[in-house]
Amino acid sequence: DAGVTQSPTHLIKTRGQQVTLRCSPKSGHDTVSWYQQALGQGPQFIFQYYEEEERQRGNFPDRFSGHQFPNYSSELNVNALLLGDSALYLCASSLGGVGDTQYFGPGTRLTVL
Amino acid sequence: ILNVEQSPQSLHVQEGDSTNFTCSFPSSNFYALHWYRWETAKSPEALFVMTLNGDEKKKGRISATLNTKEGYSYLYIKGSQPEDSATYLCAFNVWNFNKFYFGSGTKLNVKP
Repeated sequence: DAGVTQSPTHLIKTRGQQVTLRCSPKSGHDTVSWYQQALGQGPQFIFQYYEEEERQRGNFPDRFSGHQFPNYSSELNVNALLLGDSALYLCASSLGGVGDTQYFGPGTRLTVL
Repeated sequence: ILNVEQSPQSLHVQEGDSTNFTCSFPSSNFYALHWYRWETAKSPEALFVMTLNGDEKKKGRISATLNTKEGYSYLYIKGSQPEDSATYLCAFNVWNFNKFYFGSGTKLNVKP
């Protein structure tokens, strides 16, 4: 049983560009959450998708958007990249109930130059 | 913004030592507390989820306790081994919200 997978592993972009990160959830999971981990900090919640809709959102600007597909996989899009968007982006999948364990992928390391 | 504090930030111990870390969280509207182990270049691995005040969970040499009234959880490792070297993260949910609030982690280094 494959766990949560993310692609790409690493990415380098320049300021102002746009980026798309991808996530495939653990088999049987229908809910995908995205987190940003900046250096020296814990992961910060960006948003969560369930049934192809954004269910909850953290304190991130509208430049961060996402999508969930019918097969429950998900994309995170970031527009107009800033230097401060450089971070590790983690995807987590779960069954969607409050308090359910979230299973994480290995992350995508984004560097903005 | 709900603050989750973890201490210490880092810890260096010798193989065989027992150790413990603390996770502090706001006690109001508490729903669940999660512990993860995160080894370098790997995915965070779920260790425990605890929901009830006084909960104790154990997995091999690792155990955790929960006090929801005062807002803290302890993670204990008995007889640390080099393979226990990792960052240990805690996260909690409030009632009716499925997002996790994470601490910044405790980085454990176990020397052979």
